[in-house]
Amino acid sequence: GAVVSQHPSRVICKSGTSVKIECRSLDFQATTMFWYRQFPKKSLMLMATSNEGSKATYEQGVEKDKFLINHASLTLSTLTVTSAHPEDSSFYICSARDDGGGPINTEAFFGQGTRLTVV
Amino acid sequence: QKEVEQDPGPLSVPEGAIVSLNCTYSNSAFQYFMWYRQYSRKGPELLMYTYSSGNKEDGRFTAQVDKSSKYISLFIRDSQPSDSATYLCAMSVYNQGGKLIFGQGTELSVKP
Repeated sequence: GAVVSQHPSRVICKSGTSVKIECRSLDFQATTMFWYRQFPKKSLMLMATSNEGSKATYEQGVEKDKFLINHASLTLSTLTVTSAHPEDSSFYICSARDDGGGPINTEAFFGQGTRLTVV
Repeated sequence: QKEVEQDPGPLSVPEGAIVSLNCTYSNSAFQYFMWYRQYSRKGPELLMYTYSSGNKEDGRFTAQVDKSSKYISLFIRDSQPSDSATYLCAMSVYNQGGKLIFGQGTELSVKP
């Protein structure tokens, strides 16, 4: 089955530093990837849609300059949390839509998630 | 009002019970409906998807959609301790492939 690899799975950083999270589709091409954020015992909140070769589309209320997204190839999207603060601590999850999938919108596969802790 | 509402639970049932999980939604443009299972600190995994009103079965799981009432359900028969996880409903609009709006998730515990 389709595999999405997310790295790192866990990261602790100091307040004020930046952290980069990678999302890779291992056995399929993904023009479109999605970044979600999840607080403990809460739902996944869509942050942005990442499109290969173009600017990401951010959801309302998500700071573009805080959460930088780069989708440089058909298999890799990165999320950089800039100048991280403790309130940015959360579980970040990416998903990738299989370009070869059918018309049904279920062809999106999730990574394992990254737990970010800002101290 | 949230676009997708889901009772967060927690829900605790004995092994072998039938579990019913539900979501309601407000956006009539949603056409695809999914159920995901998420274990602690892991990414969600797709259990079921459907795009029409009615029932869809897969083993011990049955997904039910009622578009007229904007209501979806997931039934788990003969529940097992290994089913203990958080179950999230998710929905999307036609032609917005992969962009999902999730419910809050229901935490399920199946006791042996």
